[in-house]
Amino acid sequence: DTAVSQTPKYLVTQMGNDKSIKCEQNLGHDTMYWYKQDSKKFLKIMFSYNNKELIINETVPNRFSPKSPDKAHLNLHINSLELGDSAVYFCASSQDWNSPLHFGNGTRLTVT
Amino acid sequence: GNSVTQMEGPVTLSEEAFLTINCTYTATGYPSLFWYVQYPGEGLQLLLKATKADDKGSNKGFEATYRKETTSFHLEKGSVQVSDSAVYFCALSDRWGSGGSNYKLTFGKGTLLTVNP
Repeated sequence: DTAVSQTPKYLVTQMGNDKSIKCEQNLGHDTMYWYKQDSKKFLKIMFSYNNKELIINETVPNRFSPKSPDKAHLNLHINSLELGDSAVYFCASSQDWNSPLHFGNGTRLTVT
Repeated sequence: GNSVTQMEGPVTLSEEAFLTINCTYTATGYPSLFWYVQYPGEGLQLLLKATKADDKGSNKGFEATYRKETTSFHLEKGSVQVSDSAVYFCALSDRWGSGGSNYKLTFGKGTLLTVNP
């Protein structure tokens, strides 16, 4: 069973569109994250939720809106997509600060 | 704020060569330190970790020691293999808030390692 699964794996869309990426974890972890990885492989945290509560919002544009219906799910909705949003988006989860993050395999978003 | 600095890549080695990837950190508290590895087309996975000063993390022949005096956590392997080719990330985990209930992982920029046969 996949521990952290995100869909879709690839997403190609045009500027101005709205899209969503879904993430689910079956590890029973309390905390979930969204990270953005750019073309140079640099990873930057976007959001963190602990038990459905937003903990971290790292100066991400308002066009990005995370939603956590329960602690096993953290979805990412993006409005009015821009070229600069093209990246690989990773969902992750962890149990506590000493525990490692478990990552999904990423969603490669390409905005044309 | 917290930050992680790791050596710029890419690093290219021959099989069985010795590997060192330097990592230093800046943190206000007492963070836990991690190395993650990302193979092509995959997400990151934990390679090793250390949670306090002088701890040594090790896995798959890789080692790193938590050095508080030099704020470093350098990754080493005595003899690399072609299958070790990947991007390696150093990271620190720090916490804040009541009871340290809030925490996040800060990553370095990653180092691409290529091992040639």
